[in-house]
Amino acid sequence: NAGVTQTPKFRILKIGQSMTLQCAQDMNHNYMYWYRQDPGMGLKLIYYSVGAGITDKGEVPNGYNVSRSTTEDFPLRLELAAPSQTSVYFCASSYDGGSSYNSPLHFGNGTRLTVT
Amino acid sequence: DQQVKQNSPSLSVQEGRISILNCDYTNSMFDYFLWYKKYPAEGPTFLISISSIKDKNEDGRFTVFLNKSAKHLSLHIVPSQPGDSAVYFCAERTGANSKLTFGKGITLSVRP
Repeated sequence: NAGVTQTPKFRILKIGQSMTLQCAQDMNHNYMYWYRQDPGMGLKLIYYSVGAGITDKGEVPNGYNVSRSTTEDFPLRLELAAPSQTSVYFCASSYDGGSSYNSPLHFGNGTRLTVT
Repeated sequence: DQQVKQNSPSLSVQEGRISILNCDYTNSMFDYFLWYKKYPAEGPTFLISISSIKDKNEDGRFTVFLNKSAKHLSLHIVPSQPGDSAVYFCAERTGANSKLTFGKGITLSVRP
């Protein structure tokens, strides 16, 4: 029972490089989310999706892009990496929005990204 | 301006005692408040939630209290155990598409 799988676990990028953070879930969840957590801060929502083919911006979308071509996968793309994007990135999924015991948000273990 | 505030960054309690973690909010139009627990190098895991129409929800050692007039909620852990040592995030769920807004988190340390 894998849950939410994020790859890679760690990555160092040079300024201006691009990369894709991968996220896959095997729970047939409709909702998927990308959060970032900066040191000493809470999680901030980057993008989310309520189903395949549907994505929307969260609180801090600038510098990122997403796609949701399948229910299982929700990759996050960084096109021109900047030091301000140094953070830990968490992908999450839920059946219907994550507010209850029946449908909590399930998080992956994160990708630690450093941009230098 | 932060919508969900966890003003105390850390808390240390003795094993067996009560831990009280506080959270304040500004937006009255929420559906649920939730608490998530996070260990180092892992993602957050769901702990307990409370709906806007309730003032208390209990699950084993964990109880969440909601005071809507004060815009304040608290998580009580009784008795506290060393395995409870983690970062606890308070999160608000509001309206369409069920997005969550998280506080900064509180680091709880339970001393044996």
